[in-house]
Amino acid sequence: DTGVSQNPRHKITKRGQNVTFRCDPISEHNRLYWYRQTLGQGPEFLTYFQNEAQLEKSRLLSDRFSAERPKGSFSTLEIQRTEQGDSAMYLCASSFEVGDRRFAGANVLTFGAGSRLTVL
Amino acid sequence: GQNIDQPTEMTATEGAIVQINCTYQTSGFNGLFWYQQHAGEAPTFLSYNVLDGLEEKGRFSSFLSRSKGYSYLLLKELQMKDSASYLCAVRDKGNSGGYQKVTFGIGTKLQVIP
Repeated sequence: DTGVSQNPRHKITKRGQNVTFRCDPISEHNRLYWYRQTLGQGPEFLTYFQNEAQLEKSRLLSDRFSAERPKGSFSTLEIQRTEQGDSAMYLCASSFEVGDRRFAGANVLTFGAGSRLTVL
Repeated sequence: GQNIDQPTEMTATEGAIVQINCTYQTSGFNGLFWYQQHAGEAPTFLSYNVLDGLEEKGRFSSFLSRSKGYSYLLLKELQMKDSASYLCAVRDKGNSGGYQKVTFGIGTKLQVIP
């Protein structure tokens, strides 16, 4: 397993265009998170999935943002009608979510390298 | 909701010890992470505390007091490569009822100087 993979690594787009990012988590992980990070800030929660179910979406997100995880494996994050304020690093993380800490590595988020979006 | 506070910047000398504090306010608390993030890279896992007390892992230790909503990350024998941002993150019951989500603080940018 090569870890969490994100594509594309960099995306430059014009304002008003739609963009889609893909995340392939670690194969046995059942939980997948999307975060957004801007310079000097910590990762800001966007949404997360337990298998294919989307459990929560940040109230900070407008309706232009949508995420899917159709088969409980890879996930996509789409931003419609991009704005300059959407420029950020979009991070995906996955984890194996269990209630029993005796499972080594359980609940620890492993991050991908991120997809950097620049909106001109 | 969650409220996580940590200092934005710290400076320490190579070879010294530094303590980075994190306070949080949340409901349904179920664990606290510390992550390290070098500039331009993804966060990498350092420690995870669920119970009160100190967890030691090499040069890094993390402490948790659930009653005080407080944690710290202790870095010993600082090296230049420890210059990075250190992120405190809380695992708690979000709005999805019963499931846990992870929320990050703003991060503490640590600069190690010779």
